[in-house]
Amino acid sequence: EAGVTQFPSHSVIEKGQTVTLRCDPISGHDNLYWYRRVMGKEIKFLLHFVKESKQDESGMPNNRFLAERTGGTYSTLKVQPAELEDSGVYFCASSQDVWGSGANVLTFGAGSRLTVL
Amino acid sequence: AQKITQTQPGMFVQEKEAVTLDCTYDTSDPSYGLFWYKQPSSGEMIFLIYQGSYDQQNATEGRYSLNFQKARKSANLVISASQLGDSAMYFCAMREPRGGANSKLTFGKGITLSVRP
Repeated sequence: EAGVTQFPSHSVIEKGQTVTLRCDPISGHDNLYWYRRVMGKEIKFLLHFVKESKQDESGMPNNRFLAERTGGTYSTLKVQPAELEDSGVYFCASSQDVWGSGANVLTFGAGSRLTVL
Repeated sequence: AQKITQTQPGMFVQEKEAVTLDCTYDTSDPSYGLFWYKQPSSGEMIFLIYQGSYDQQNATEGRYSLNFQKARKSANLVISASQLGDSAMYFCAMREPRGGANSKLTFGKGITLSVRP
């Protein structure tokens, strides 16, 4: 079974430019999550999709971040315009919808490292 | 207040020995789940072990076991018979409430483990 795939693995852009990160979850996983780790800090939740719907976007930092999941398959996270503080590693994770199962393990991708200069 | 605390700055262990990675958590919800993930240098977050707040037994998965002390709110990861491939960063995370597919993970800052040959 293919894992969670993220692209690009590393992106270097200038402040003010736009970057789009892509995540392909495990096939059949309804839940898709975006997390971010800024250097030296905790991994923070950004948002959660259930199929194509945004279930929880309470972690999105501001309106420069736009996440989409068209058709409930892959997801994109666009940062426009990028600022210096957006630098970090953006993780995508997916899980099956197993209600009542406490484990509901999230499978993570390798992350997309974003560097804003 | 931090929900997940991992204070060990970096850990070293001799190959084939056991090591304990500390994690304390804070929650007022009686229903929660605790997870450990491993992040090797490749960047991918690998699920290791899960412990539910109502589980009577400490979780075990191969060489990994979780020393769950509910009253102390600690969920330490024990790795037995360390291998060189165990060198990585380890993250403790909590989900509250436990069974909700919609509930998100809160992570600690992580601990770096280095296994010496």
